[in-house]
Amino acid sequence: QKEVEQNSGPLSVPEGAIASLNCTYSDRGSQSFFWYRQYSGKSPELIMFIYSNGDKEDGRFTAQLNKASQYVSLLIRDSQPSDSATYLCAPISGTSYDKVIFGPGTSLSVIP
Amino acid sequence: GAGVSQSPSNKVTEKGKDVELRCDPISGHTALYWYRQSLGQGLEFLIYFQGNSAPDKSGLPSDRFSAERTGGSVSTLTIQRTQQEDSAVYLCASSLGTASNQPQHFGDGTRLSIL
Repeated sequence: QKEVEQNSGPLSVPEGAIASLNCTYSDRGSQSFFWYRQYSGKSPELIMFIYSNGDKEDGRFTAQLNKASQYVSLLIRDSQPSDSATYLCAPISGTSYDKVIFGPGTSLSVIP
Repeated sequence: GAGVSQSPSNKVTEKGKDVELRCDPISGHTALYWYRQSLGQGLEFLIYFQGNSAPDKSGLPSDRFSAERTGGSVSTLTIQRTQQEDSAVYLCASSLGTASNQPQHFGDGTRLSIL
């Protein structure tokens, strides 16, 4: 089993719709999770950080965490073409607390 | 500058040559990370520094790869006897402290091409 799994996509949604990006992880000790966005040819940039079970909202973005199910998701409301990018799920290792394990990413395309 | 600086931005070299990649983290950031990203792939962890020490070198692909950090600041990643499979974008990131609550700030990367 891979440490972090994400739907590779590409995920296509129409402009204005909700995009749902899913991530599962194998390390039960992981307590904190990042979501990064990476535009083609660019470096990753942080968009969300979550460490408590439940939802965390920041503008059009909502991160959802369920540690019991080892599942974290990212919802993007009112999707815009500028949201088209690869989204990387990144749990913090439960054993090596300074180590971030990046998932393979989900490619999102928002169609105007 | 205000961000993580990496040099060179692009490097083309012949198979078998050694290359040295440089990363200058954000001032005051004690943690520094190196990743490798092949075309269309995710980020592959290589090595992590806290200050000048490297608690986790588990991601280095082979003994041809080495990294050092001096003065708690600049880091260099060295690849000896390069192979074509070393071709990738090498990304450096820094953070204020432990990753458990500190985001990583990435540089623009070095695109390495081995002919």
